[in-house]
Amino acid sequence: NAGVTQTPKFQVLKTGQSMTLQCAQDMNHNSMYWYRQDPGMGLRLIYYSASEGTTDKGEVPNGYNVSRLNKREFSLRLESAAPSQTSVYFCASSELGTGAYEQYFGPGTRLTVT
Amino acid sequence: GEDVEQSLFLSVREGDSSVINCTYTDSSSTYLYWYKQEPGAGLQLLTYIFSNMDMKQDQRLTVLLNKKDKHLSLRIADTQTGDSAIYFCARGTSLNSGNTPLVFGKGTRLSVIA
Repeated sequence: NAGVTQTPKFQVLKTGQSMTLQCAQDMNHNSMYWYRQDPGMGLRLIYYSASEGTTDKGEVPNGYNVSRLNKREFSLRLESAAPSQTSVYFCASSELGTGAYEQYFGPGTRLTVT
Repeated sequence: GEDVEQSLFLSVREGDSSVINCTYTDSSSTYLYWYKQEPGAGLQLLTYIFSNMDMKQDQRLTVLLNKKDKHLSLRIADTQTGDSAIYFCARGTSLNSGNTPLVFGKGTRLSVIA
């Protein structure tokens, strides 16, 4: 199993350009998440999808859109990139349940907006 | 204050014990987690503890929970250079816990000096 995969690994954009970050998981998980990580800020949740067909805003959704394409795939779109969106983006997935659960993380996408 | 708080840095000598502390505010937290992030990688689950437990031990790792003070700690015995990483504390709730994203602290960067 590949786990959670993300593409691309690195990206440089100019201000105003758009792009889509791709995420896929092969663990048959219901829930998927997008985080951004900035120095001194920890992980901040952008959007999540509790199950196929649903998406919800997290802590920092402005400037982003998401699509839960199917159970495996959850994409994050920047419509008009800004320098403040320079960050490392992580996708994660987990199973539904009422007990402890593990969020599995992808390796990240390092995005620079100039 | 922040929902989940951690100190940002910790430096220890190889072979010593490391203690990473975390405090949280939400008393409904049912599961508390420790994740590890190595350089250039995503987060990986190290261990977790259920809120009705005081302590959990797993090889070199000991988790202590003081529910009254909402204080969680991670002790790493015989710290090695390979333990150098960022450690994140996170909390989750039991109700539909797989639906609800975890809330992460900002992470503690552990540096191990040889």
